[in-house]
Amino acid sequence: AQSVTQPDIHITVSEGASLELRCNYSYGATPYLFWYVQSPGQGLQLLLKYFSGDTLVQGIKGFEAEFKRSQSSFNLRKPSVHWSDAAEYFCAVAVTGGGNKLTFGTGTQLKVEL
Amino acid sequence: DAGVTQSPTHLIKTRGQQVTLRCSPKSGHDTVSWYQQALGQGPQFIFQYYEEEERQRGNFPDRFSGHQFPNYSSELNVNALLLGDSALYLCASSGPGQGAETQYFGPGTRLLVL
Repeated sequence: AQSVTQPDIHITVSEGASLELRCNYSYGATPYLFWYVQSPGQGLQLLLKYFSGDTLVQGIKGFEAEFKRSQSSFNLRKPSVHWSDAAEYFCAVAVTGGGNKLTFGTGTQLKVEL
Repeated sequence: DAGVTQSPTHLIKTRGQQVTLRCSPKSGHDTVSWYQQALGQGPQFIFQYYEEEERQRGNFPDRFSGHQFPNYSSELNVNALLLGDSALYLCASSGPGQGAETQYFGPGTRLLVL
């Protein structure tokens, strides 16, 4: 069965600094990959997704992610963080050809210092 | 274009009771999935409905059941509630054709079992 690891439970960055959130997955083939963001008490908002093709994908709110097959990673990045980016970020995978059931990581809580 | 909606937003029940949560998918979507998100955890897949039938199921007991109606809306029922059922319940919908792998989430229903 596939699994997702987000090694960082909490990350604190200063406003304006760059950000990288790590995500590693375990699956025999290349899955569909997603990043979602969750503000306190809210549902999940899709930031970006990777299915195939260009390994660098752009998302909303200035986020991007890079798929690295050799490292089974799909790290999320943002060049300059804004205070409103403070939230919890979830990486998720879906098995290709297996319906679109999502398997999530445990999340990374981002705190932004002003 | 309305997104995924869920009702109620909050619910308090006691152990042993039964609860029904409701979800209306995003316009044009025909598939509904349900997830349970315990505090501090990533969402866990409960089951998925398509064409009014359960298509996939996660590792949840039979106390968790669901239904999908002809208009694609869905219900999640939980019987014999346990304290451990306290969580945020998220509904997600996805559409036919290209992009079917992408799920869009509602704001969730927060269930507290006392």
